[in-house]
Amino acid sequence: SAVISQKPSRDICQRGTSLTIQCQVDSQVTMMFWYRQQPGQSLTLIATANQGSEATYESGFVIDKFPISRPNLTFSTLTVSNMSPEDSSIYLCSVNTGSTGELFFGEGSRLTVL
Amino acid sequence: GEDVEQSLFLSVREGDSSVINCTYTDSSSTYLYWYKQEPGAGLQLLTYIFSNMDMKQDQRLTVLLNKKDKHLSLRIADTQTGDSAIYFCAESMDSSYKLIFGSGTRLLVRP
Repeated sequence: SAVISQKPSRDICQRGTSLTIQCQVDSQVTMMFWYRQQPGQSLTLIATANQGSEATYESGFVIDKFPISRPNLTFSTLTVSNMSPEDSSIYLCSVNTGSTGELFFGEGSRLTVL
Repeated sequence: GEDVEQSLFLSVREGDSSVINCTYTDSSSTYLYWYKQEPGAGLQLLTYIFSNMDMKQDQRLTVLLNKKDKHLSLRIADTQTGDSAIYFCAESMDSSYKLIFGSGTRLLVRP
């Protein structure tokens, strides 16, 4: 398994500001993903974080709004830019270690935008 | 397009078995997953099944996969109050490990 740490665990942000969420894994992983869970909803994939190259975004998500970095095989960041109340969600990091089909999730970062 | 559907709510008595159902549409799914989410927490991977398997058992959990009908179920034996949570099924999009989630089933276990 993999131990995934996300920071911050929660934050309250002002409209128009940006916040960067960190995801740290205790071992090297092949695949890293970022998901969003809006209040009372299911999870939606934002993007695949690619090591050393630009992230691959899903339909409806763009790099200007959700820039992602992945400088190595254990760490990634997601920035939520120019936030509005509609961005209030839980943002979750997910990893696959590559050896099995297991996909693990971090505890999530709960953002509230006022 | 891809879609994963679940019933929204299930209520069972403590000690009974719970069966949570899920249907999916992508026939090229490689893996199918069950996750548990307790209030205010992240997602806990309960179990997953490879698409060429029919059944997988892990202690109190039994997963059944009917690939012909694109139907997945999770059976929890001897359900306990600590099993109360939201259960999400998810399918991987081909072999990319990108997941499409169902809407989640809220399981309530009554004492």
